[in-house]
Amino acid sequence: ETGVTQSPTHLIKTRGQQVTLRCSSQSGHNTVSWYQQALGQGPQFIFQYYREEENGRGNFPPRFSGLQFPNYSSELNVNALELDDSALYLCASSLGSGPQHFGDGTRLSIL
Amino acid sequence: DAKTTQPPSMDCAEGRAANLPCNHSTISGNEYVYWYRQIHSQGPQYIIHGLKNNETNEMASLIITEDRKSSTLILPHATLRDTAVYYCIVRVGQAGTALIFGKGTTLSVSS
Repeated sequence: ETGVTQSPTHLIKTRGQQVTLRCSSQSGHNTVSWYQQALGQGPQFIFQYYREEENGRGNFPPRFSGLQFPNYSSELNVNALELDDSALYLCASSLGSGPQHFGDGTRLSIL
Repeated sequence: DAKTTQPPSMDCAEGRAANLPCNHSTISGNEYVYWYRQIHSQGPQYIIHGLKNNETNEMASLIITEDRKSSTLILPHATLRDTAVYYCIVRVGQAGTALIFGKGTTLSVSS
């Protein structure tokens, strides 16, 4: 059974740029959630995708957007990057409302 | 905000049982108790979850009090690899709902 995989593992961007992070869900899972984890904090929910549509969103501005593809993989896009966007971005997949299983994240640094 | 309260840190000797408490006095009837842990530089790892009854799997046991206002995660024979931040989360078992992480308990296992 293949777990959740995320790419890239590390990324450096500058303020104002745009970034796309990718996630392949665990085999058999149809739901993908994205979280942001700042240094020393617990993960914060960004949004969830089910059947290629957004199915719940946390307190993040519209410049955070996402996609889910027919194979259940997903992308997180962030526009107009700010210094505070520096964080570990985590993807989790699940089968419907079942337990979410996380990847090891993408470490994004904004200069 | 997180609906759970956990001690910030705990110590445990290798080979002994680690008992991690969690208070969730405002839990609703349709909310499950979930436990995750996060080892440094990795994504959160799902451990176990339950609604009313005690649960056991290959990793741990979950004991939920009869009034459901608190629970305890038990690692029966802690090893050095169990050193991590442990998160107790309450969540409605419904698609679209997020995991709301608090600060968790940092468990340090020593030899």
